[in-house]
Amino acid sequence: EAGVAQSPRYKIIEKRQSVAFWCNPISGHATLYWYQQILGQGPKLLIQFQNNGVVDDSQLPKDRFSAERLKGVDSTLKIQPAKLEDSAVYLCASSSGKRTVAYEQYFGPGTRLTVT
Amino acid sequence: AQKITQTQPGMFVQEKEAVTLDCTYDTSDQSYGLFWYKQPSSGEMIFLIYQGSYDEQNATEGRYSLNFQKARKSANLVISASQLGDSAMYFCAMRERERDQKVTFGTGTKLQVIP
Repeated sequence: EAGVAQSPRYKIIEKRQSVAFWCNPISGHATLYWYQQILGQGPKLLIQFQNNGVVDDSQLPKDRFSAERLKGVDSTLKIQPAKLEDSAVYLCASSSGKRTVAYEQYFGPGTRLTVT
Repeated sequence: AQKITQTQPGMFVQEKEAVTLDCTYDTSDQSYGLFWYKQPSSGEMIFLIYQGSYDEQNATEGRYSLNFQKARKSANLVISASQLGDSAMYFCAMRERERDQKVTFGTGTKLQVIP
């Protein structure tokens, strides 16, 4: 079974530029999460999709971040324009989406973003 | 209040010894799940163990066990017979049914295994 795929693995941009990250979850997983992990901290949920609908985006800085999950499969997270404090690892995860707490999340390798 | 609290920023353990990583949580939900993840320096998050709020037995997975004390709202991870490859960050996380299955992570504990 293929895992969660993310690209790119690394990205360096200057502040005020734009960047996009891509995630392909495990086949059949209805729930998809984007997390931001700043160095030395735990992952912080940015947005959670159930199929192609948004379940939670309360911590997504909507003035600069956007995300979509077309057709309920892969997803794109965009930052426009980037700030220095956006430097972090962006993790994508998926889970089965069944309405039970028991299903663990499977994480992709992450995208390490450096904003200079 | 923090949903997940990990009070140990760093821990050291001698190789082959057991170590306990602390985790306390805060929820009013009756149905929730507790998870532990390992994050090596390479960055990937690896699922280790799960405990459900209604599970009466403590979860075990190989060398990992979860010391679940529901009344105290604690879910400590016990690693037995530590190995050098156990050196990593460890995160405790909780999923709450009433919050649309949202998962909240703690700040992590960095474990270093000493030969």
